[in-house]
Amino acid sequence: GAVVSQHPSWVICKSGTSVKIECRSLDFQATTMFWYRQFPKQSLMLMATSNEGSKATYEQGVEKDKFLINHASLTLSTLTVTSAHPEDSSFYICSARDLFGPGKSTDTQYFGPGTRLTVL
Amino acid sequence: AQSVSQHNHHVILSEAASLELGCNYSYGGTVNLFWYVQYPGQHLQLLLKYFSGDPLVKGIKGFEAEFIKSKFSFNLRKPSVQWSDTAEYFCAVNPRRDDKIIFGKGTRLHILP
Repeated sequence: GAVVSQHPSWVICKSGTSVKIECRSLDFQATTMFWYRQFPKQSLMLMATSNEGSKATYEQGVEKDKFLINHASLTLSTLTVTSAHPEDSSFYICSARDLFGPGKSTDTQYFGPGTRLTVL
Repeated sequence: AQSVSQHNHHVILSEAASLELGCNYSYGGTVNLFWYVQYPGQHLQLLLKYFSGDPLVKGIKGFEAEFIKSKFSFNLRKPSVQWSDTAEYFCAVNPRRDDKIIFGKGTRLHILP
């Protein structure tokens, strides 16, 4: 099946620094990728939809200037947490939508393994 | 607003017991429906999905789910669970006019050996 990777898998940073998380679709092209945030024992909350070659669409309440998303190619989207603070500590998960594979249906999203961010 | 409700936050069963996890959604239009599973320390995996056709959908590892449109429900079932089914299960809905997938809060399933 389709594989999505994330890098790094975990990161610890100091308050005030910026952290970049990469999401790659390894064996398919993804025009659309999604970024989620998962708090402990809670569900995934969609943060933004990342479209290749255009600006990301952010969900209500998500700060665009704090969570910068870039989707520069069909296989890579990046999420940069700028000026991170302890409350940004969370598990960040990306997914990629595979529309063009053989026998694929629309709206099948494949999830990455997640990145655990800890801000000290 | 669109939402997905999973009735049980934590379920504990013995091996060989039957399982049913409830899921209801609130959206009036046409939807695609999913169940995802997250095993301990692993990432989300698709268990099964419903787009159209037969409302009884069979997925991997013996799971199935039934879409009942009149009840806005998509309950997950398995006739006989195994210890290896211990995981967190998420119901998710994608309104067809939208790109987004909306997740329920998840049900943590613990199977006793």
